[in-house]
Amino acid sequence: NAGVTQTPKFQVLKTGQSMTLQCAQDMNHNSMYWYRQDPGMGLRLIYYSASEGTTDKGEVPNGYNVSRLNKREFSLRLESAAPSQTSVYFCASRFPGQQETQYFGPGTRLLVL
Amino acid sequence: AQSVAQPEDQVNVAEGNPLTVKCTYSVSGNPYLFWYVQYPNRGLQFLLKYITGDNLVKGSYGFEAEFNKSQTSFHLKKPSALVSDSALYFCAVREANTGGFKTIFGAGTRLFVKA
Repeated sequence: NAGVTQTPKFQVLKTGQSMTLQCAQDMNHNSMYWYRQDPGMGLRLIYYSASEGTTDKGEVPNGYNVSRLNKREFSLRLESAAPSQTSVYFCASRFPGQQETQYFGPGTRLLVL
Repeated sequence: AQSVAQPEDQVNVAEGNPLTVKCTYSVSGNPYLFWYVQYPNRGLQFLLKYITGDNLVKGSYGFEAEFNKSQTSFHLKKPSALVSDSALYFCAVREANTGGFKTIFGAGTRLFVKA
């Protein structure tokens, strides 16, 4: 089991450029999540997908879009990157059941100039 | 609304001494509480959780946490710290019976264990 994988590991963008962050899990989890991590702010939820075919906004969705391509994959798209989106992005997944823990990917470090 | 507070940005302890990383929370209903650890350039790893039952929860790497409902706290503890415990620790809360898709994380506490 690879667990949760993310690509790329690191990316530099110029303001206004677009990119897609990829996430895949091989644990047959139903729900998947995208977080951003900023110093002193912990993790903030951007979007989540409770199950294949559904997506919902989290705490900080502005400037992002997501696609739940299938049960394994959940991508995050920045249509027009801004310096405020410089952050570390983590994907996570979870078994069904609200008592279950989340499993996190290694993260994508994004720098927007 | 749910919230989590980790009042200390950093905790310093000497190797072999006990450590405590503090966490308090606020939810409307019953909480599910979690601790995660993050090593440099890595994702978060699950340490332990409180769902129901015994207030003292034991987890990975010798860590434990005590749920205190009256003080709305879930402090992480270890009897004897190791240098390898140095990392960033996150407390998180999820409100029970709400669908459970939104987990709120604290800002994190950096633990330094000195040899």
